[in-house]
Amino acid sequence: GQQLNQSPQSMFIQEGEDVSMNCTSSSIFNTWLWYKQDPGEGPVLLIALYKAGELTSNGRLTAQFGITRKDSFLNISASIPSDVGIYFCAGQPQGAQKLVFGQGTRLTINP
Amino acid sequence: EADIYQTPRYLVIGTGKKITLECSQTMGHDKMYWYQQDPGMELHLIHYSYGVNSTEKGDLSSESTVSRIRTEHFPLTLESARPSHTSQYLCASSEAGYEQYFGPGTRLTVT
Repeated sequence: GQQLNQSPQSMFIQEGEDVSMNCTSSSIFNTWLWYKQDPGEGPVLLIALYKAGELTSNGRLTAQFGITRKDSFLNISASIPSDVGIYFCAGQPQGAQKLVFGQGTRLTINP
Repeated sequence: EADIYQTPRYLVIGTGKKITLECSQTMGHDKMYWYQQDPGMELHLIHYSYGVNSTEKGDLSSESTVSRIRTEHFPLTLESARPSHTSQYLCASSEAGYEQYFGPGTRLTVT
């Protein structure tokens, strides 16, 4: 089936640093979504992207839908302790109805 | 944003017991989903429904069953729980698009 490669798998950063993570696929996606999951909770939708090249911000978060439609990026600026968690990308492959999820990026922040 | 509820949040149960995990949403979304997730790992779709009396199996084979008798309610049942069923179960719903909104999850432990 469809697969998404999300990287990095984990990040250890200092508070205040910027963060970048990405998802790539070998096939075309029509929709990209980014979620954050806190321990013991369900994923929370951060940003949704629907058009190639689209750049969308949500506070300190910015995500982009890659021009090739095979990748997406999430950036977090000036990280704070509450940014800690696991970030998942999800995509809707062309011709499919269901979402495919990446493996997640675990973000740890040292104060 | 959807209001989606899952009960119980935590369940510890013995092998062989029958269990039902409840999921309800108040937004009138037609589409609902069940995912299975081991801690910190990716989400795997086990069941989905696009409307009342419509249910389909997802990408990950599961011994659980689901029903969709009312739009707002999408319960998941395990007839005979086993230790291999120990996991977190996440319910989600969506409207016409692909943005899925998740409940808080049920963490199931089968002893």
